[in-house]
Amino acid sequence: EAGVAQSPRYKIIEKRQSVAFWCNPISGHATLYWYQQILGQGPKLLIQFQNNGVVDDSQLPKDRFSAERLKGVDSTLKIQPAKLEDSAVYLCASSSAGTSTYEQYFGPGTRLTVT
Amino acid sequence: AQSVSQHNHHVILSEAASLELGCNYSYGGTVNLFWYVQYPGQHLQLLLKYFSGDPLVKGIKGFEAEFIKSKFSFNLRKPSVQWSDTAEYFCAVNERNAGNMLTFGGGTRLMVKP
Repeated sequence: EAGVAQSPRYKIIEKRQSVAFWCNPISGHATLYWYQQILGQGPKLLIQFQNNGVVDDSQLPKDRFSAERLKGVDSTLKIQPAKLEDSAVYLCASSSAGTSTYEQYFGPGTRLTVT
Repeated sequence: AQSVSQHNHHVILSEAASLELGCNYSYGGTVNLFWYVQYPGQHLQLLLKYFSGDPLVKGIKGFEAEFIKSKFSFNLRKPSVQWSDTAEYFCAVNERNAGNMLTFGGGTRLMVKP
């Protein structure tokens, strides 16, 4: 079974620029998550989708971050404009359902450096 | 909001030493508990999980964890570590019946010396 795919793996941008990350979940997984992992910290959930609807985006900085999951499969996370404190690894995860008993599978992440 | 604390940020052990990594959470309701591991250059993967039943759960690669409800703890243990256990370990908690959202601890970086 193919895992969660993410691209790009690395991205370096200047502050105030925009950036987008892409995630392709495991086939058939209805639930998709985006996490932000700042160096030295654990992952922090940004947004959770169930199919193409948002379940929770309470920790997403909506003034600069946006995410979509068209057609309930792939997802993109965008930052516009980026700030220095956005430097982090952005992780995508998926699970087969939205209930709490399903394991989340993580992708390799995109490491963003904002200079 | 719930929080998860991992007390040891860095641990260095020699091979064959015993390991115990602490994890405490703040939520008072019913929770599901997880330990994830991230080996160097690899993505996060599930080590073990506790949903209900026997509070002593066994995971992959000889790891186990014990849920102590009265202490809000879910400590990870391994009797004898190997060099290949060098990795970062994350404890995570999910409030049951509140979706599948995970709250992670800050992680513990383990280095095992050969």
